[in-house]
Amino acid sequence: AQTVTQSQPEMSVQEAETVTLSCTYDTSENNYYLFWYKQPPSRQMILVIRQEAYKQQNATENRFSVNFQKAAKSFSLKISDSQLGDTAMYFCAYQETSGSRLTFGEGTQLTVNP
Amino acid sequence: GAGVSQSPSNKVTEKGKDVELRCDPISGHTALYWYRQSLGQGLEFLIYFQGNSAPDKSGLPSDRFSAERTGGSVSTLTIQRTQQEDSAVYLCASSLNQYQPQHFGDGTRLSIL
Repeated sequence: AQTVTQSQPEMSVQEAETVTLSCTYDTSENNYYLFWYKQPPSRQMILVIRQEAYKQQNATENRFSVNFQKAAKSFSLKISDSQLGDTAMYFCAYQETSGSRLTFGEGTQLTVNP
Repeated sequence: GAGVSQSPSNKVTEKGKDVELRCDPISGHTALYWYRQSLGQGLEFLIYFQGNSAPDKSGLPSDRFSAERTGGSVSTLTIQRTQQEDSAVYLCASSLNQYQPQHFGDGTRLSIL
């Protein structure tokens, strides 16, 4: 079974600085999708970024970028120019290309300090 | 357009009662998913619908849990004879199809007294 591990339960960063959240996963599949979701106190899970495993280029979305290392099964999220609104729980998730369920990591609580 | 809508936002009920949770997916989304988020278990997959059929319901924790989807749209998750361990936030998500990213609702916080 696929597993996703986030080894940092909590992290903090100063406003305007850069922070990297770590995620590792285990799978025997060659093709799959990886995601980062953000969950603020409002509870809604918001898609931050998506990576397709067959693409070597790292995905970017404005201030958010990933470092995808397929051989190492590592998928970290870099947040540049951190803003107070980035304070949230961040979840790494895995999905097979056949679709269906997301498998989530335990989450990392990120706090951006003024 | 509107996002995924879940109701009620919060539900408090007594142990042993039945509850129904509702999910309205984004219009045109054929895939619909239910997840449960609890302190001890993190985020767990419950069931996946493609149209009105459920090709994957392997995450339902017991036969007290059931779900249906009608008209390829609204879905209801029913929990019978609720137990305290059912207390959690129940999240619904939908996607255009099973290959597209999932978009989540705000969830229903269920508290069993």
